Amino acid sequence: EVHLVQSGGGLAQPGRSLRLSCEASGFIFDDFAMHWVRHAPGRGLEWVSGITWKSDNVAYADSVKGRFTVSRDNARNSLYLQMDSLRADDTARYYCAKDIARFGYQWIFDVWGQGTMVTVSS
Amino acid sequence: EVVLTQSPGTLSKSPGERVSLSCRASESVSSIYIAWYQQKPGQAPSLLIYAASNRATGVPDRFSGSGSETDFTLTISRLEPEDSAVYYCQQYSSSHSFGQGTRLEIK
Repeated sequence: EVHLVQSGGGLAQPGRSLRLSCEASGFIFDDFAMHWVRHAPGRGLEWVSGITWKSDNVAYADSVKGRFTVSRDNARNSLYLQMDSLRADDTARYYCAKDIARFGYQWIFDVWGQGTMVTVSS
Repeated sequence: EVVLTQSPGTLSKSPGERVSLSCRASESVSSIYIAWYQQKPGQAPSLLIYAASNRATGVPDRFSGSGSETDFTLTISRLEPEDSAVYYCQQYSSSHSFGQGTRLEIK
């Protein structure tokens, strides 16, 4: 069965850093692009970042560009999101998600992790 | 950026009824770049429909998608209690964006 299990997150002060992890199982992880999507309280879903299967194409939403870094370790079937210079408006539940397409971006998210809460507050 | 506006914001229906949820785009979007997701309380979103009308694996045929250009619809026939959820549309034609969601309550 396909699973994405997330860890990391929690409470951070503005300007500090947090790192999220997402471990995949049940599919060939290094065949697929992966993404991070967040859901802020009272707001809709927002795509945050994506990374192709061999990490040669990474993409970010304008709201996080220059502050967040996505990476993956295919040997460990793991996806990461390094979040630096955190702001209050980064407060959200963060989900990792698998792209439906092999070897590229199709921007359709067919498997989701359980989510992890990130709260940025002093 | 393409802005997606979903309507209604909230609705309440009874089991067995049929419902249509609307997703309107601020500019024309090819139907192959529209998806729908369901998010039940306390759960992650799950993919329902992609390329406007293709059901994701395991999605019952009670769920169907349609539409073109700026107007897209998710239809759920024969509502069941477990269909209570928030439904989001997504476009991935010009960058990518989600609608704000429609909350469906089955009473």
